[in-house]
Amino acid sequence: EPEVTQTPSHQVTQMGQEVILRCVPISNHLYFYWYRQILGQKVEFLVSFYNNEISEKSEIFDDQFSVERPDGSNFTLKIRSTKLEDSAMYFCASVRSNTGELFFGEGSRLTVL
Amino acid sequence: GNSVTQMEGPVTLSEEAFLTINCTYTATGYPSLFWYVQYPGEGLQLLLKATKADDKGSNKGFEATYRKETTSFHLEKGSVQVSDSAVYFCALSENPGAQKLVFGQGTRLTINP
Repeated sequence: EPEVTQTPSHQVTQMGQEVILRCVPISNHLYFYWYRQILGQKVEFLVSFYNNEISEKSEIFDDQFSVERPDGSNFTLKIRSTKLEDSAMYFCASVRSNTGELFFGEGSRLTVL
Repeated sequence: GNSVTQMEGPVTLSEEAFLTINCTYTATGYPSLFWYVQYPGEGLQLLLKATKADDKGSNKGFEATYRKETTSFHLEKGSVQVSDSAVYFCALSENPGAQKLVFGQGTRLTINP
């Protein structure tokens, strides 16, 4: 069964460092998303991406964040200069059409020290 | 803005017990409602959904009814199994396609044999 895969499963980094989280969406999907969950808090929408551009982003998704689909298979989330409060589980999701079911990856845990 | 409030966890039950996980929401308009489940080491998976008032979503023995009058979407199962141990997330979307989801905080369920 096709699935969304994410790497790394866990990354530990120092404050101020750049981090790239990677996602491989399901191959025929066209819409891509990042969500995050800070420990003990709710899962929050970060950004949606379609046709090689951001279609919507939340207030959380500030200039420190960027997304990219560099090679037609990977979908990446970059945090330029990590802060302590960026520590969270980051979930990637994809969907074939804008009325279909979202498929989520198992998440990448980011710990910023 | 839209929000979802879930029953605080963790919840621990014995096998074959009756399960209810409460979920209430606040939304403008007529959202679609969802329950997602995350099994250990896996991504979030759609468990069931309902797109309009009085609809009942069901899957794997779980049910939830969209109650507009009480703004609720409580998850129920008549007889839980050890394999139901997971984290359950209630969520809403403003559109039937369920792309930008607003999640509750999740409820960890543990079923003991």
